[in-house]
Amino acid sequence: GNSVTQMEGPVTLSEEAFLTINCTYTATGYPSLFWYVQYPGEGLQLLLKATKADDKGSNKGFEATYRKETTSFHLEKGSVQVSDSAVYFCALSRTLGGSTLGRLYFGRGTQLTVWP
Amino acid sequence: EAGVAQSPRYKIIEKRQSVAFWCNPISGHATLYWYQQILGQGPKLLIQFQNNGVVDDSQLPKDRFSAERLKGVDSTLKIQPAKLEDSAVYLCASSLARGRGANNEQFFGPGTRLTVL
Repeated sequence: GNSVTQMEGPVTLSEEAFLTINCTYTATGYPSLFWYVQYPGEGLQLLLKATKADDKGSNKGFEATYRKETTSFHLEKGSVQVSDSAVYFCALSRTLGGSTLGRLYFGRGTQLTVWP
Repeated sequence: EAGVAQSPRYKIIEKRQSVAFWCNPISGHATLYWYQQILGQGPKLLIQFQNNGVVDDSQLPKDRFSAERLKGVDSTLKIQPAKLEDSAVYLCASSLARGRGANNEQFFGPGTRLTVL
């Protein structure tokens, strides 16, 4: 089956600290991988994605590399800001012919709080 | 471009009552999803529509949940009767879904927070 496991939160960091949120997955076939972010009071927003092995997704200083050999998609940022405080969700979807298909399978989410 | 709209934003009901949620996807988006997000968990798919047809409702508790998308645009999710464990945020998402190679990114609405007392 398809599932995503991400590190337990909450994660509390000081501003400018390095961030890593671990994510591993189980999937049939070759999934697409995503990180979504949910800011307080807002809906889920796509942060970055990768659709094949060794792809690196990046956005707003965040990066994640699709590692097929370790079935991982860890989220990293070199220097976090207070404004990065949010809940981060790792997710996957099936892929066929280069297109992502249908439902997203989400991890439980990791709450990040950044202090000034 | 307007995003995915949902209403109401909050709803409080007593168990065994009925409730309905409404979603209006981004204009032109063929695929619509309803997800349930219980506190402390990630969203889980309830039902997926392609235009006005159901693609996947395998996780929908059909004894109490129903959903429709009659004209292939907006959608309604209903719970009847509600149970305590239905307390959650109900998220609607939509995507273009135009075939192979297409960007099928899902765009999410703000959600409806349901509390069942």
